[in-house]
Amino acid sequence: GDSVTQMEGPVTLSEEAFLTINCTYTATGYPSLFWYVQYPGEGLQLLLKATKADDKGSNKGFEATYRKETTSFHLEKGSVQVSDSAVYFCALRSIRGNAGKSTFGDGTTLTVKP
Amino acid sequence: DTEVTQTPKHLVMGMTNKKSLKCEQHMGHRAMYWYKQKAKKPPELMFVYSYEKLSINESVPSRFSPECPNSSLLNLHLHALQPEDSALYLCASSQIQEINTEAFFGQGTRLTVV
Repeated sequence: GDSVTQMEGPVTLSEEAFLTINCTYTATGYPSLFWYVQYPGEGLQLLLKATKADDKGSNKGFEATYRKETTSFHLEKGSVQVSDSAVYFCALRSIRGNAGKSTFGDGTTLTVKP
Repeated sequence: DTEVTQTPKHLVMGMTNKKSLKCEQHMGHRAMYWYKQKAKKPPELMFVYSYEKLSINESVPSRFSPECPNSSLLNLHLHALQPEDSALYLCASSQIQEINTEAFFGQGTRLTVV
C-alpha cells in the first residue's frame, strides 16, 4: 500500500537558518504530493503541492520538488522565521485509494527560536 | 468559498452522553472525510463518504456513527465514548478522483471525554 516517511523530529532552528525536512514515499503509479502545516490548536492547511515528476511546489518561501527517481518530496526554506514554528506533514493522494484518500507521514515538529 | 466549517470547536462530554459533530462545505466536493488526530500524531482516517454514501469505514467502533445528509453536510454522532476517544476530530473534503487537488480541512473539534 501507499506510505510516506518523514524525517523524525523535533527540529529546532534559530531564526534565519536554512530548513530541510525530508520526505520519501511509496506508491504505485503517479501520486500527487502535498505538504500541510498545522499550527497549534488548528486544523491542517495546505502549504504546497506538486502533481507530477519534476514539478516544484512553492509558497511563503517554502519549496519542494517532486523527484520520481528518488521518490522524494523534501521541504526547504532558505530563512525560517519564528512564525514558521508548527507541525509539517508530508502527504500523498493516489488514485488507488478510494476517493483518493490522503496518506500522511508522521509529521515533523519545527520550533524556530529568535 | 474554500472553507470547511466544523462545529463546535470544543466539546466536553461524559461517557453516557450523546453528542454530534458537524461539518459543512460549499465547494461542491463529493468526497468528505472524518479523521481523528491525537497530540503529535498524524490524522488517522475514520470514514470516507463518496457521493453521500459511506465508502470506507476504517474499523471504527460503533460508538462513532457518521451521517451524510446531503452533499454539503457531514455529521459524526457520538455515544458512550471512552476517555481514550479524547482527540481532535477533523473533517475534510476533496474532489473525487481528482488527485491533483488537495483535501481541504476544517479547524477541527477538540473533544474531551470525562
